Amino acid sequence: DVKVTQSSRYLVKRTGEKVFLECVQDMDHENMFWYRQDPGLGLRLIYFSYDVKMKEKGDIPEGYSVSREKKERFSLILESASTNQTSMYLCAREVGANYGYTFGSGTRLTVV
Amino acid sequence: DQQVKQNSPSLSVQEGRISILNCDYTNSMFDYFLWYKKYPAEGPTFLISISSIKDKNEDGRFTVFLNKSAKHLSLHIVPSQPGDSAVYFCAATDQTGANNLFFGTGTRLTVIP
Repeated sequence: DVKVTQSSRYLVKRTGEKVFLECVQDMDHENMFWYRQDPGLGLRLIYFSYDVKMKEKGDIPEGYSVSREKKERFSLILESASTNQTSMYLCAREVGANYGYTFGSGTRLTVV
Repeated sequence: DQQVKQNSPSLSVQEGRISILNCDYTNSMFDYFLWYKKYPAEGPTFLISISSIKDKNEDGRFTVFLNKSAKHLSLHIVPSQPGDSAVYFCAATDQTGANNLFFGTGTRLTVIP
């Protein structure tokens, strides 16, 4: 069973802090994704990566960056957290054409 | 521009009855469609999918119907159970490269015991 592990389930950070959200997959798959989920807006793609050190902007990359130094780890960075970044953040890896993605359990981030 | 739309943000159904969740898409290049289910404080989990070469796929209580001419798909849950209460996301892909899965905004299903 494919596992995608997000290190924190809940985080509370202050405005202006630099925030790191970590995601680790247990298989050697290339494509990994970061989404945020907000009520009424569904899942919106922030960044994705198709290999080590490779990254591509998604639909809402502003205020975020990513790091992928190893294939199994994909980190989302909030350079200077703001209250409008309070959200549920979901990491995913691509399983294959028939099953789409496997998601982590999510990190509920609150910026105060 | 939202390429996959779920126009009903919520749906309430009595236990034992049928739940029908709808999804529309605009991109005619989409050829594979998936439904995900999400409980609070958890990540979405894959539920069922359908290829564009089919118009129906069934898995136990879950059936997905695809109407390509109308660019519409629906998820039927029969019979509905309280444990089905969750947010359901429709997703579509043209299976080319990364960043190829487009999600709808979700429908919150509540099954009333």
